[in-house]
Amino acid sequence: NAGVMQNPRHLVRRRGQEARLRCSPMKGHSHVYWYRQLPEEGLKFMVYLQKENIIDESGMPKERFSAEFPKEGPSILRIQQVVRGDSAAYFCASSGQANTEAFFGQGTRLTVV
Amino acid sequence: TQLLEQSPQFLSIQEGENLTVYCNSSSVFSSLQWYRQEPGEGPVLLVTVVTGGEVKKLKRLTFQFGDARKDSSLHITAAQPGDTGLYLCAGARHTGNQFYFGTGTSLTVIP
Repeated sequence: NAGVMQNPRHLVRRRGQEARLRCSPMKGHSHVYWYRQLPEEGLKFMVYLQKENIIDESGMPKERFSAEFPKEGPSILRIQQVVRGDSAAYFCASSGQANTEAFFGQGTRLTVV
Repeated sequence: TQLLEQSPQFLSIQEGENLTVYCNSSSVFSSLQWYRQEPGEGPVLLVTVVTGGEVKKLKRLTFQFGDARKDSSLHITAAQPGDTGLYLCAGARHTGNQFYFGTGTSLTVIP
């Protein structure tokens, strides 16, 4: 059952380090969305990518955060020089077409110490 | 800006009771999804509705999309402890590049 796969499930980083979060979409899906969820808060959109292209990054902080979805391999959300406020659950979702139903991975829980 | 508002935010009921969760907006959506999320896990898709007035049933769960495609409801009949979780609605818009999530309803079903 090739659902959306995210790794690692848990990631601990010290302040100032880099965090790399990986997402493999469902087979046949070329649309990837990244969301962030804080405790007691809803899912906040970060970025929407298609293969090799960033379509909408309006929800992603302009500094320290970047995302890519290369032709081969998983989508990567990269956070440089992490700070305590980056601690959250990061979820990836994929869809077969734009704005159709999206399927989520199990998330990566980032803790910055 | 929160496009989708869910109510109630928290709901605690006894096993066997019925409940309804609402998802409201002033915006029109091309489709609307309902998800359930358990602690430490990702949201799991329950249903997608696309047509105004559409009703879908999934065992004891009934989903309805408003005629104007601005709102939706989730009704659970004879709730069971296994229904406990965070219920999220999410909408897609023709001109958007994201799924807009509601504020969530945290349901607890007490045995």
